[in-house]
Order: sequence, then structure tokens, then C-alpha cells
Amino acid sequence: NAGVTQTPKFQVLKTGQSMTLQCAQDMNHNSMYWYRQDPGMGLRLIYYSASEGTTDKGEVPNGYNVSRLNKREFSLRLESAAPSQTSVYFCASSGRVQGGQSWETQYFGPGTRLLVL
Amino acid sequence: RKEVEQDPGPFNVPEGATVAFNCTYSNSASQSFFWYRQDCRKEPKLLMSVYSSGNEDGRFTAQLNRASQYISLLIRDSKLSDSATYLCVVSLSGTYKYIFGTGTRLKVLA
Repeated sequence: NAGVTQTPKFQVLKTGQSMTLQCAQDMNHNSMYWYRQDPGMGLRLIYYSASEGTTDKGEVPNGYNVSRLNKREFSLRLESAAPSQTSVYFCASSGRVQGGQSWETQYFGPGTRLLVL
Repeated sequence: RKEVEQDPGPFNVPEGATVAFNCTYSNSASQSFFWYRQDCRKEPKLLMSVYSSGNEDGRFTAQLNRASQYISLLIRDSKLSDSATYLCVVSLSGTYKYIFGTGTRLKVLA
């Protein structure tokens, strides 16, 4: 299993450009998430999808849109990039920890480092 | 007040030392608790879930105190490879959301 994969790994954009960050998971998880991580701020939730066909705003959704394409894939789109969106973006999915625990936990992709000039 | 608070550190300890981190959470509806490890420029990875009765995994021991709303992580016999940032995470009952602390940085020195 590849777990959670993200593309691209790095990206440089100019202000106003658009791009889509791709995320896929092969663990058959229902829930998927997009976070951004900035120095001193910790991980902040942008959007999440509790199940295929649903999406909800997180803590910092402004400037972003998402699409839950199917159970495996959850993409994040920046329509008009701004320097404030320079960050590291992590995708995650959640499912039960192997070993039979009754609660779910999160598994992360390797991240996308985005620089907006 | 932040929902999940951690001392940012850094904690600089010699190899072989025992080190403990605490984390406090503000929402009494918090349901599940975790410690994640994050290496520099890498993704967070689950270190261990935290059970109500406390739990141990090798050199790592996690404890939960619901009455005082804090969780702790104890690392015994620290190794150089334990150097990382440790994230405290709680999930809220009835939601799909996970709340992350900003992390505690650990440096184990030779």
C-alpha cells in the first residue's frame, strides 16, 4: 500500500496563478482532509470530506476550493494564489488504527511545499 | 486560549535521559487522543494513541488525565533518533475534526 500520496512535491507560483494539489489514498478511508502548516502555527484545517460526496470548511477555507472526486481522491484548488498562501500543504485520511481499536486516527501524505511570489 | 497547548521547547537532553512532555486541551468533549512525531520537513506520523488507562510502547509511555484535561508523553533512554517535534492531537466527539497542538521540539544530544 502506498498510503496517502500527494502531487506535486514542490511548486512555485506567481501571484494570481491557479493550481490544483492532488491527493489520493489507497486505505479505503471515508474521511479525507487538507491542512496547511506554517511556522509557529501548527497544522490548520482548510477543508475536510467526511465521506464521498461531502465537503466542509475547516478553520482557514478562504482562497481555497476542494473536490472529493471519488472515495480515493481529494483535491485542493487555489484559484488565484496569494503570497499568504505560501505554506506546506498536507493531505490526510482517517481510519481505524491497525490492531482493532474502536477509534480512527489520521495518516498523512508527504506534503506539498508551495511558494507564491 | 488555544484548544490544544504544548510547550514549544526545545528540550535539549543527553542520550539516555528520560524526558516528559505535557499537553493540555480545553474542550471537555475531546474523545480521542494521540501523539504524533514530525521530523524536519516531513509529514506527521502517528507515534501512539493515548488510552484512558495509560499505555506503553517500548520506551514510550502515554498518560491521559481527563479530570485535569491533559495528556503526557514520557520517553525513556532517549536516542539520537528521537530528535523530532512531538505533536499532541485530540479529536472531538461527534465530529470528524482533529485539533493539533503546535508541537514540542526535542533534541537529543550525543
